[in-house]
Amino acid sequence: AQSVTQLGSHVSVSEGALVLLRCNYSSSVPPYLFWYVQYPNQGLQLLLKYTSAATLVKGINGFEAEFKKSETSFHLTKPSAHMSDAAEYFCAVTKAAGNKLTFGGGTRVLVKP
Amino acid sequence: DAGVIQSPRHEVTEMGQEVTLRCKPISGHNSLFWYRQTMMRGLELLIYFNNNVPIDDSGMPEDRFSAKMPNASFSTLKIQPSEPRDSAVYFCASTLASGGTSTDTQYFGPGTRLTVL
Repeated sequence: AQSVTQLGSHVSVSEGALVLLRCNYSSSVPPYLFWYVQYPNQGLQLLLKYTSAATLVKGINGFEAEFKKSETSFHLTKPSAHMSDAAEYFCAVTKAAGNKLTFGGGTRVLVKP
Repeated sequence: DAGVIQSPRHEVTEMGQEVTLRCKPISGHNSLFWYRQTMMRGLELLIYFNNNVPIDDSGMPEDRFSAKMPNASFSTLKIQPSEPRDSAVYFCASTLASGGTSTDTQYFGPGTRLTVL
């Protein structure tokens, strides 16, 4: 069975500071990993995905994530937070393309001016 | 592309009533997923279809929930009878799943916020 753990349900960062959101997964097979963002009252939007190509994945809005098999991690980072980054972020895993996603609990990001 | 379309966006109903949520996936996509989001349980997969056929409904809470996909461009999630604990945001997502050429990205609709009084 697959599972995803996001450390920290809430993260507060200052505008311009580094954003780091942690995600650890467990999977019996090489996984596909995703980060989605959800803005208030909206659906989920894909930020980036890892599908066994490059381990450093760049996404939209300046976000990137690094797949580390030895640590079973897929942490999301952004060098400089912007006010518009305030949202909830979800890490997700699936074992096969087009298959069902298992989501982490989400991390809500607050950006302080 | 219009994206995944869900209706209604908001639904308020009384306990015991039947509720039907609707979803139109992105044209050309062949897999469709229904998720439920609550504060307590987060995002949960309820059921998913591939080529209009239900593949995994293990997440459907109980017999009060049913889902259909009569054709490639339409799906419904029905709750009968509804209960207050069904209050949640229900999302529909679609993707193109075709083995090695799959896009593997699920595209989500805006969700339906259901409130059962």
